[in-house]
Amino acid sequence: NAGVTQTPKFQVLKTGQSMTLQCAQDMNHEYMSWYRQDPGMGLRLIHYSVGAGITDQGEVPNGYNVSRSTTEDFPLRLLSAAPSQTSVYFCASSSTHRPGQGYYGYTFGSGTRLTVV
Amino acid sequence: GESVGLHLPTLSVQEGDNSIINCAYSNSASDYFIWYKQESGKGPQFIIDIRSNMDKRQGQRVTVLLNKTVKHLSLQIAATQPGDSAVYFCAERSKGSSNTGKLIFGQGTTLQVKP
Repeated sequence: NAGVTQTPKFQVLKTGQSMTLQCAQDMNHEYMSWYRQDPGMGLRLIHYSVGAGITDQGEVPNGYNVSRSTTEDFPLRLLSAAPSQTSVYFCASSSTHRPGQGYYGYTFGSGTRLTVV
Repeated sequence: GESVGLHLPTLSVQEGDNSIINCAYSNSASDYFIWYKQESGKGPQFIIDIRSNMDKRQGQRVTVLLNKTVKHLSLQIAATQPGDSAVYFCAERSKGSSNTGKLIFGQGTTLQVKP
């Protein structure tokens, strides 16, 4: 059981380039999210999805696109990379919350360290 | 607006002592809180959670306390070990986001365990 798999682990982009950060989970989780982590800023939510075909914006969505065509995959696209997007990106997934039952915290991937020069 | 913060950026404790990591939140509508541990170069790892209808929850060597009156959350680690050295984050979920799974994270506290 692999959990949440992110690729690549490291990436260097030039300003203006585009790329896709991949995220896949094999736990049949409905919720998936992308966070970025910057020094002193904690984790900030970029986009999230409550199921296949459904996505929504988080706190810092500008410059990023997402899609959720399957339950397993939730790729994050940078359309035109900027130095401000240099960060560590984490994908996370969790099972559906059912009222009255336990809600179990997100399982995080190991992260993608992105540098935009 | 929502904010989740930790009182101290770094906490240094002696091995074997108990550690207490604090977190303040401002959204009184939050109904669920989670503590995460992040080791260097890794993603955050779930430690323990607590719902807003509880005051205390215990796990293995960890206890989370919730004081809704002052909007304060704490994580207590008993008999701190070198392997506990990491950054600890609290996260909250507001009732409005209960169907989306959205979590808002604090900035993190670094726990350093001295041998």
